Amino acid sequence: SAVISQKPSRDICQRGTSLTIQCQVDSQVTMMFWYRQQPGQSLTLIATANQGSEATYESGFVIDKFPISRPNLTFSTLTVSNMSPEDSSIYLCSVGQGLPTEAFFGQGTRLTVV
Amino acid sequence: DQQVKQNSPSLSVQEGRISILNCDYTNSMFDYFLWYKKYPAEGPTFLISISSIKDKNEDGRFTVFLNKSAKHLSLHIVPSQPGDSAVYFCAASVWGSARQLTFGSGTQLTVLP
Repeated sequence: SAVISQKPSRDICQRGTSLTIQCQVDSQVTMMFWYRQQPGQSLTLIATANQGSEATYESGFVIDKFPISRPNLTFSTLTVSNMSPEDSSIYLCSVGQGLPTEAFFGQGTRLTVV
Repeated sequence: DQQVKQNSPSLSVQEGRISILNCDYTNSMFDYFLWYKKYPAEGPTFLISISSIKDKNEDGRFTVFLNKSAKHLSLHIVPSQPGDSAVYFCAASVWGSARQLTFGSGTQLTVLP
């Protein structure tokens, strides 16, 4: 399985600001995803990060709020823009290789917005 | 509408006994199912999976059972160990989908020494 590193591991941010989360994989992977886990909730897919093109967002998530980059097959960033306390969550990077779709996760970024 | 449901938010089991975690799904298109384990401050770790062509898959102390007619799967851990204490997520996907897994809400398993 791939080794996935996420930065930062946690942060406390002021409302109205933005935070960029980085995800680095130790090998080239086909698929990269970003998930959110709100307090007491399950994991919810935000978007699929596509290499060289715009990310594919799930219902309820938009590019203006969660811009994503994926410049190559080993790296992606997720930005949480114009943050509010409702954005306080754990954000997780995930990668998938081949089929079936077993996904592997980074350790997550715990974001608190005050 | 939750397509994958874990109705027990928590479960406590004595060390050495069997732990049974349950999961129900509603989407009949799902044909691949996975269990993940999550410790605090860590990302979920893949544990075991099963495709819909099987009704059982075993890996050491972990066995997953699938009942397609009931749209139900379960994870059995035998014997349970204190290190198994974690949150367990059930997830489902459509075979060949290059995209998302749909997760349940998780069950906190506590194995008592």
